[in-house]
Amino acid sequence: QVQLVQSGAEVKKPGSSVKVSCKASGGTFSSYAINWVRQAPGQGLEWMGRIIPILNIADYAQKFQGRVTITADKSTSTAYMELSSLRSEDTAVYYCARDHQGFGDMDYWGQGTLVTVSS
Amino acid sequence: QSALTQPASVSGSLGQSITISCTGTSSDVGSYNLVSWYQQHPGKAPKLMIYEGSKRPSGVSNRFSGSKSGNTASLTISGLQAEDEADYYCCSYAGSSTYVVFGGGTKLTVL
Repeated sequence: QVQLVQSGAEVKKPGSSVKVSCKASGGTFSSYAINWVRQAPGQGLEWMGRIIPILNIADYAQKFQGRVTITADKSTSTAYMELSSLRSEDTAVYYCARDHQGFGDMDYWGQGTLVTVSS
Repeated sequence: QSALTQPASVSGSLGQSITISCTGTSSDVGSYNLVSWYQQHPGKAPKLMIYEGSKRPSGVSNRFSGSKSGNTASLTISGLQAEDEADYYCCSYAGSSTYVVFGGGTKLTVL
């Protein structure tokens, strides 16, 4: 059974960066893309970007270009999402999710990581 | 403003059927039969309910079905049960540069 386990909640100051991890188990990590999706309090889902570990290629939503970096460590089956220049509007739950077929259908999700940006 | 438009809320009685619409454009929903639907209970991660427009992952009840007409995709839930009360999000593939776009979500209330 595939499991994605994310790192714990974070509290950050405006202008700083945060790095969230997502460790996969129970499946073939490199073969599937890992997406990052966030959800601000009371709001909907927003796709941020993804990485295909076997190719080590990442692509990002235009809104986050230049501010987000998604990486993967195949040796530990872990994906990372780093968001910089944090502002209060980045306060959200950040999820990692595995692509099912490669067209944005995400079949396994992490439990979510709450990132709070506050001075 | 979300890229895909969903009604903010829908409601239905136990045992009835409801349909949630998801309207996009010719650049996403209209161009690809690659709409997925997610169910999210409060405080939980989303769960994939439908993919490629109408396919159900293993373990998802056949009370859930998906369809598409033009630029609008739909999720139908038949035989409503109390546990179906949740938020539902549509998501469409939108090409290699944009990848995916989500709808704003629909809150389903089971009366």
